[in-house]
Amino acid sequence: DTGVSQNPRHKITKRGQNVTFRCDPISEHNRLYWYRQTLGQGPEFLTYFQNEAQLEKSRLLSDRFSAERPKGSFSTLEIQRTEQGDSAMYLCASSLGTGGSGANVLTFGAGSRLTVL
Amino acid sequence: AQSVAQPEDQVNVAEGNPLTVKCTYSVSGNPYLFWYVQYPNRGLQFLLKYITGDNLVKGSYGFEAEFNKSQTSFHLKKPSALVSDSALYFCAVRDRSGAGSYQLTFGKGTKLSVIP
Repeated sequence: DTGVSQNPRHKITKRGQNVTFRCDPISEHNRLYWYRQTLGQGPEFLTYFQNEAQLEKSRLLSDRFSAERPKGSFSTLEIQRTEQGDSAMYLCASSLGTGGSGANVLTFGAGSRLTVL
Repeated sequence: AQSVAQPEDQVNVAEGNPLTVKCTYSVSGNPYLFWYVQYPNRGLQFLLKYITGDNLVKGSYGFEAEFNKSQTSFHLKKPSALVSDSALYFCAVRDRSGAGSYQLTFGKGTKLSVIP
């Protein structure tokens, strides 16, 4: 188990371009989360999957953002028509969805840093 | 709505001295509370959690936190600070009665600097 993997680690793009980030969670974790973190702030919740079902979305997730987890394993977060305000660190996390000791503890990846010029 | 406040942007402490990083929370029901630590260029790492039971929770690397329901606080503590403890610390809360929401709300973070 290599933890939560995110790619790419860094992405620089021009305003108006589309970008996609990938997250590979811990294999036995059925819950997957996306958060966004800007400088000087804590992570802000974007969306949550249980298996392949997207069960919760934040108001922060505008219609330019879309997330998928097609087979209940890896997930992608796509941002269309990027804006400078989208510049942030995008964090993926996963967790077990049971009542065991691992419940509710999120394991985070190292993040994907987006810079929009 | 749930929220977390970390009133100190930065805490400085001498190596070997005790440290405290403060956190207060607000939820409509009972909380799940967490502390995470973030080192440069690395993801957030789980330190400890309070779900129920004993108010004093022990976690990784010698850290502990005390849940105080009346003061709605969950301060992080360590008896003797190490230089390697220098990092960014985040408190997080989730309302246990959150009607199926698994959203964690984080504070803004507190930068801990341990001075040799």
